[in-house]
Amino acid sequence: QKEVEQNSGPLSVPEGAIASLNCTYSDRVSQSFFWYRQYSGKSPELIMSIYSNGDKEDGRFTAQLNKASQYVSLLIRDSQPSDSATYLCAVPHYPNTDKLIFGTGTRLQVFP
Amino acid sequence: EAGVAQSPRYKIIEKRQSVAFWCNPISGHATLYWYQQILGQGPKLLIQFQNNGVVDDSQLPKDRFSAERLKGVDSTLKIQPAKLEDSAVYLCASSLVGFSAGHTYEQYFGPGTRLTVT
Repeated sequence: QKEVEQNSGPLSVPEGAIASLNCTYSDRVSQSFFWYRQYSGKSPELIMSIYSNGDKEDGRFTAQLNKASQYVSLLIRDSQPSDSATYLCAVPHYPNTDKLIFGTGTRLQVFP
Repeated sequence: EAGVAQSPRYKIIEKRQSVAFWCNPISGHATLYWYQQILGQGPKLLIQFQNNGVVDDSQLPKDRFSAERLKGVDSTLKIQPAKLEDSAVYLCASSLVGFSAGHTYEQYFGPGTRLTVT
């Protein structure tokens, strides 16, 4: 089992819809979770971090964490074509908790 | 606040040649990371520095890759000799500190260097 798993997509949603991106991880002791957005040909950009069970909202983005199920998700409300990118989930690798393990990313396409 | 700076942005070399990449982290960030991102994959950590000391280099191919962070600020990553499979984007990231009190600090990436080995 991979340490961090994401569906590679593409996930296609119409403009204005909610995009739901999912990530599962294998290490039960993980405490911090990060979502990065990566446009084609660009470097990853941090968009959300979440440390506690439940939801964390920032603008149109909501991160949801369920440690019992080892599952973290990212919801993008009112999706825009400019949201079209690859979304990377990252989880620390214990015992070196600075070492982030990245999933392969989910490619999101928002069509007008 | 200025972000992470990297140079060069692009590099094309032939196999068996050497290449070096430079990174300047966000001011005040103690921890610096070098990642390798192969097309279609997530970034993979190569080496992590805390100030000028190495914390983790377990995935660095030490027979050909080397890195240093003198004076705890700028860092260079070198490949010598390069192989075809080294073609990738090399990303530098930094964070304020490393892990502390149960909290992993956010890492911020530079623009990357796209290396093509022919």
